[in-house]
Amino acid sequence: QITLKESGPTLVKPTQTLTLTCTFSGFSLSTSGVGVGWIRQPPGKALEWLALIYWDDDKRYSPSLKSRLTITKDTSKNQVVLTMTNMDPVDTATYYCAHRMVYEGWFDPWGQGTLVTVSS
Amino acid sequence: EIVLTQSPGTLSLSPGERATLSCRASQSVSSSYLAWYQQKPGQAPRLLIYGASSRATGIPDRFSGSGSGTDFTLTISRLEPEDFAVYYCQQYGSSPPSYTFGQGTKLEIK
Repeated sequence: QITLKESGPTLVKPTQTLTLTCTFSGFSLSTSGVGVGWIRQPPGKALEWLALIYWDDDKRYSPSLKSRLTITKDTSKNQVVLTMTNMDPVDTATYYCAHRMVYEGWFDPWGQGTLVTVSS
Repeated sequence: EIVLTQSPGTLSLSPGERATLSCRASQSVSSSYLAWYQQKPGQAPRLLIYGASSRATGIPDRFSGSGSGTDFTLTISRLEPEDFAVYYCQQYGSSPPSYTFGQGTKLEIK
């Protein structure tokens, strides 16, 4: 059974850098074809894809946020870390990590999400 | 960038009725890379349909997906009380790699 869980701060100040960790089980990021992505959802709004990392360390980013995002993996710890710089109140959202396979265009399953509020 | 437009924004129906949700893409999308998710309040999205028409594991057969090109549909044949939620379509584009979600359709009890 694949499970994922997000962790990180619930409150960050404007201009700060956000660091979120996705800890997963039931699969390995050293297995060919495996990927982990990050998606966010502002309160009451739609979903927005942020970034994705694959087993071979290939990384993909949302074009609109690429300059602010970094995604890394620690295979030994079964973790994926997302950093987002220069946080703004509009970045207030629930941040999800999710599993995907390289030849599949969808995310399944998802973590429970973690709400991050950006406020001074 | 491909934009996905879902309609209607809100759909009010009664249990037992049939629901038809639409997802229209701004340009042609590969059916292989079109998915539908269900999201209930306070929960993460759950994959319902992938490849435009294949049900994910454990999804009841009252859920079905169809469509191709720019027009895709999610149909719920007979609504159960637990089906009232928000539904999102999502596409994957490879050049450049990106994932786009629709704005969602809220299915509410009439």
